[in-house]
Amino acid sequence: DAGVIQSPRHEVTEMGQEVTLRCKPISGHNSLFWYRQTMMRGLELLIYFNNNVPIDDSGMPEDRFSAKMPNASFSTLKIQPSEPRDSAVYFCASRRVGTEAFFGQGTRLTVV
Amino acid sequence: QQQVKQSPQSLIVQKGGISIINCAYENTAFDYFPWYQQFPGKGPALLIAIRPDVSEKKEGRFTISFNKSAKQFSLHIMDSQPGDSATYFCAASKAGGTSYGKLTFGQGTILTVHP
Repeated sequence: DAGVIQSPRHEVTEMGQEVTLRCKPISGHNSLFWYRQTMMRGLELLIYFNNNVPIDDSGMPEDRFSAKMPNASFSTLKIQPSEPRDSAVYFCASRRVGTEAFFGQGTRLTVV
Repeated sequence: QQQVKQSPQSLIVQKGGISIINCAYENTAFDYFPWYQQFPGKGPALLIAIRPDVSEKKEGRFTISFNKSAKQFSLHIMDSQPGDSATYFCAASKAGGTSYGKLTFGQGTILTVHP
């Protein structure tokens, strides 16, 4: 099993640009989560999907953030426009019922 | 409002010593308490987890102690090794239903084990 795959691993972008982070969950997992990690706020859940349907997006900071899951094997997290305060490591995680959440290696985003 | 408080923020232990990390939660609906271990450049990975129907769970050198009445739980690492140096996160969630994987994390503890 390849685990949860995130891309890119590192992203540097200028303020105001659109950023798209990608995630491929583990095959057979039906829940997918996006987390953000910063020194100040720790690990925060942004949004999660069950069976490709968004269940809870209360952690999404503001309208500049959006997430989609068009099928069971792919999800995106988009920031438009990006701001320096969005700089963080973004993790995707997936699980199936009865198992723990497995995390990807993360995308380190730097907005300059 | 932070629902899981973790302490200490950092911990230095000598090889062979005991590392203890504590967490307290507020939401009484939580009924599943995992600990995650994170190495630099990696995502968090499940280390050990407990449900509140038991007061202690042990897996090798790692033990979770759980106090439901105090709403506290802790991780004990016995015979700490330099390879245990990592960031440790406690977390809490509801064990069932659609929110099963919705983990609320503590702030993390950076553990350094000196040789």
